[in-house]
Amino acid sequence: GAVVSQHPSWVICKSGTSVKIECRSLDFQATTMFWYRQFPKQSLMLMATSNEGSKATYEQGVEKDKFLINHASLTLSTLTVTSAHPEDSSFYICSARQGGDEQYFGPGTRLTVT
Amino acid sequence: GENVEQHPSTLSVQEGDSAVIKCTYSDSASNYFPWYKQELGKRPQLIIDIRSNVGEKKDQRIAVTLNKTAKHFSLHITETQPEDSAVYFCAASPTGNQFYFGTGTSLTVIP
Repeated sequence: GAVVSQHPSWVICKSGTSVKIECRSLDFQATTMFWYRQFPKQSLMLMATSNEGSKATYEQGVEKDKFLINHASLTLSTLTVTSAHPEDSSFYICSARQGGDEQYFGPGTRLTVT
Repeated sequence: GENVEQHPSTLSVQEGDSAVIKCTYSDSASNYFPWYKQELGKRPQLIIDIRSNVGEKKDQRIAVTLNKTAKHFSLHITETQPEDSAVYFCAASPTGNQFYFGTGTSLTVIP
């Protein structure tokens, strides 16, 4: 149980376009979902926390107008990178939490902006 | 915000030896400390966690200790096996809605 999926697993987009990444909890209802960014061989950096039906809470330094997060249902959260630039290229990982402490991670999405 | 530091960044041990990874945190409000294992190309997986009202927790070959006063916590892996080779991340959570990760430790267990 406690499976989290992400789609797509890899996306390449042109500079200036927007790309949407989906995070789904497949077998549980996620009260909270988290979005992280991971650079090669580096740690996970928390970008934002979202609770179903409410606005996401962004970490300091993360542009909320650039990284739009929507948590429309208890099983789906989306991250939209708007007007993507090459420096946005990274590995984006979501995680979901059912209500306890443990968070379950998705497999990640590799974004390449050309 | 919370700042988590993790050492060492790389660690090599002989199979059967013990491995210790240490983390420090800055926010005294942090009360939940999970440890994750991330194998190459895979997602992080929770391996053990500890709450601030507990000083030590053990699960088979893995143990975590917490010193609230000094604001540090450690992961101990005994009788290491090659399949323990991975990157390990510590994290601290001050609110339950935010998780701050350490920089990771790449552990290699040499057969």
